[in-house]
Amino acid sequence: ELKVEQNPLFLSMQEGKNYTIYCNYSTTSDRLYWYRQDPGKSLESLFVLLSNGAVKQEGRLMASLDTKARLSTLHITAAVHDLSATYFCAVDISSSNYQLIWGAGTKLIIKP
Amino acid sequence: KAGVTQTPRYLIKTRGQQVTLSCSPISGHRSVSWYQQTPGQGLQFLFEYFSETQRNKGNFPGRFSGRQFSNSRSEMNVSTLELGDSALYLCASSMGGALDTQYFGPGTRLTVL
Repeated sequence: ELKVEQNPLFLSMQEGKNYTIYCNYSTTSDRLYWYRQDPGKSLESLFVLLSNGAVKQEGRLMASLDTKARLSTLHITAAVHDLSATYFCAVDISSSNYQLIWGAGTKLIIKP
Repeated sequence: KAGVTQTPRYLIKTRGQQVTLSCSPISGHRSVSWYQQTPGQGLQFLFEYFSETQRNKGNFPGRFSGRQFSNSRSEMNVSTLELGDSALYLCASSMGGALDTQYFGPGTRLTVL
């Protein structure tokens, strides 16, 4: 069965702290996506990871991909309140087109 | 550039009815994908259209159908609505390449009573 598992599903943390969200997937894929969703709003693309060892950084967020371990991480450095959102990873299981399987999402609350 | 737009934003229907949702992609985008988001099941892929052809389909019953027009606008139809169809329906557009970023619309909140 195709599965994309995120953990934790809920994370409450203090500003200034570091933390990592994990995304495990059960099928071979070379493309993994991270999205952010603010409450009541739609999804916004954060990162597209296309190959083993890929690392991308934007501000306080850094994502990496290990295709051999079927694992991606989203690391948050020195968290700030504005990063509070739900973060989703999604895996593209097709070879040429979009057919994304989504994780359940990690709800991140960052307290001042 | 205008973003992805979806209409209507909110919809209330009763069981057994049918509904049509509309999505206008970003200008120049040829791929439109539809997703269902619920608290219990999360985000689930419905189908993807590219140049008026369905390229991919998720595991949803035949009550869920869609189409894409020559201007890339897409519609999704759900017939014989069930209570479990209550969800946020999101569409996303991209240029159409496999490596392209998808841009999501605000969604249509469907409530089935």
